[in-house]
Amino acid sequence: GAGVSQSPSNKVTEKGKDVELRCDPISGHTALYWYRQSLGQGLEFLIYFQGNSAPDKSGLPSDRFSAERTGGSVSTLTIQRTQQEDSAVYLCASSLARAEELFFGEGSRLTVL
Amino acid sequence: GNSVTQMEGPVTLSEEAFLTINCTYTATGYPSLFWYVQYPGEGLQLLLKATKADDKGSNKGFEATYRKETTSFHLEKGSVQVSDSAVYFCALRSTGGFKTIFGAGTRLFVKA
Repeated sequence: GAGVSQSPSNKVTEKGKDVELRCDPISGHTALYWYRQSLGQGLEFLIYFQGNSAPDKSGLPSDRFSAERTGGSVSTLTIQRTQQEDSAVYLCASSLARAEELFFGEGSRLTVL
Repeated sequence: GNSVTQMEGPVTLSEEAFLTINCTYTATGYPSLFWYVQYPGEGLQLLLKATKADDKGSNKGFEATYRKETTSFHLEKGSVQVSDSAVYFCALRSTGGFKTIFGAGTRLFVKA
């Protein structure tokens, strides 16, 4: 596709359920990033992939959060046993290797009831 | 650690007014500085950037100058339009780093 694609665009779930958020980056972009945007907050860095490896996972808020990337393309962010404080917009971005400009998707809005 | 602080919004202006959104940063060395914009219903997109001190980034009538002495990168536009209504994010990236750090964002409303 022409841009970064994220799905679902909206997800409402019950506390304690697991959710998966998907990101399809721009073709040829080897770097992929996940950020979280909470109401009134800036963008919180979660994790970065270069190819299939994640050199820095330090931004993941807890061990309930995990992410993987396969084939150097699609990435999945998984949140286990969701809590209400996980409610936020999860943004994915991609870039050419070592390039500074990030290209963002429209985000996945997660609401945990 | 590195951080970005930008003025709180919302900022409400009339069309053709002058815009300034303040941004200051804390970082070691000489980071690259960015302004991203998020229009309603769209993803963030790069508006402009500057990679070294005294550089001026510009795009779509917006400008920002990298001020090392004041650690600032204020966004300005001489005459705003209704179509400029959006959320603006200031950001930095350390030289050779991979992590872009964002401010909290400033929402701009422009009235006709």
